[in-house]
Amino acid sequence: EAGVVQSPRYKIIEKKQPVAFWCNPISGHNTLYWYRQNLGQGPELLIRYENEEAVDDSQLPKDRFSAERLKGVDSTLKIQPAELGDSAVYLCASSSRNPPYEQYFGPGTRLTVT
Amino acid sequence: DQQVKQNSPSLSVQEGRISILNCDYTNSMFDYFLWYKKYPAEGPTFLISISSIKDKNEDGRFTVFLNKSAKHLSLHIVPSQPGDSAVYFCAASASGTYKYIFGTGTRLKVLA
Repeated sequence: EAGVVQSPRYKIIEKKQPVAFWCNPISGHNTLYWYRQNLGQGPELLIRYENEEAVDDSQLPKDRFSAERLKGVDSTLKIQPAELGDSAVYLCASSSRNPPYEQYFGPGTRLTVT
Repeated sequence: DQQVKQNSPSLSVQEGRISILNCDYTNSMFDYFLWYKKYPAEGPTFLISISSIKDKNEDGRFTVFLNKSAKHLSLHIVPSQPGDSAVYFCAASASGTYKYIFGTGTRLKVLA
């Protein structure tokens, strides 16, 4: 079974530039999560999807961040414009709605904003 | 407000000995807990979970203990192996929310 796929793995951009991250979850997983992980911290939820519906986006900075999950499979997270403080690892995870509910994470995208 | 806390940023243990990683939580609504292991440049990998209806769950060398009254859980690794060297995160969730709150992680180093 293929795991969660994310691209790119690394991205370096200048501040005020746009950037996008892509995620392909595990086949059959209805729930998709985007997390941000700062250095020395645990993952923090940005947005959760159930199929194509964003059911929890309370932590997403909506002035500059946007996300979509067309057709309830792949998802894209975008930042426009990027700020220095956006430098972090962006993790995508997916899970089934059946027990034991654990999330499967992708390798993450390390974003550096200069 | 950090709802899930891992107060030890790092831990070193000799190979073959027991590793004990601790996690505390503050939200009494949390009833499902997970431990993840993370290697550098990889995403976290699920290790073991426990529901609040249990106080212990075991999987091979890994055992998680839950003390609901103290709002405390711990992960025991016995015997510890060099390949266990990684950052360990605990996470907590409340039933039906499918929302997981992660701790800040503990870096475990197993010395050969």
